Amino acid sequence: EPEVTQTPSHQVTQMGQEVILRCVPISNHLYFYWYRQILGQKVEFLVSFYNNEISEKSEIFDDQFSVERPDGSNFTLKIRSTKLEDSAMYFCASSSSLGNEQFFGPGTRLTVL
Amino acid sequence: AQSVTQLDSQVPVFEEAPVELRCNYSSSVSVYLFWYVQYPNQGLQLLLKYLSGSTLVESINGFEAEFNKSQTSFHLRKPSVHISDTAEYFCAVIGVNNNDMRFGAGTRLTVKP
Repeated sequence: EPEVTQTPSHQVTQMGQEVILRCVPISNHLYFYWYRQILGQKVEFLVSFYNNEISEKSEIFDDQFSVERPDGSNFTLKIRSTKLEDSAMYFCASSSSLGNEQFFGPGTRLTVL
Repeated sequence: AQSVTQLDSQVPVFEEAPVELRCNYSSSVSVYLFWYVQYPNQGLQLLLKYLSGSTLVESINGFEAEFNKSQTSFHLRKPSVHISDTAEYFCAVIGVNNNDMRFGAGTRLTVKP
């Protein structure tokens, strides 16, 4: 069964450093998403991406964040200068069409020291 | 935008007892509704979804949810729970023709022997 994969599973970084979280969505999906879950809190939408551009983003997704689909398979989330409050689990998801089921990856736990 | 309210942050029950996890949503447009389950240290897995058609939807492991448009609810039920059902359950809503999925705060279901 196809699945969304994410690497690394755990990333530890120093405050102010740049991090790139990687995702490989399901191969025939067209819509890609990033979500964040701070420990003990709800899952929060960050951004959606379609046709090589951002289609929607939340207020959390400020200028420190960027997304990219550098090739035909990867989908990345970059945080330019990490802050302590960026520590969270980051989930990637993909879907085949608008409004349809989103398939989630296992997440990357980001710890900012 | 849509929003989701999960009224119960924690629900402890004994094994083989029935359970209901409540979910209410708010939206100005038609919606699709989802329940996701998150087991400890794992990602989000789709439990069941309502897209259209029958308002009662079922999962393969005995959960069911009923879409009630008049009450804007999508409560999750199971007539007899197992220890293995212990997990965090998230209700989610997405507007038809958008891709900004909103999650509730989650309900931690703890099944005790």
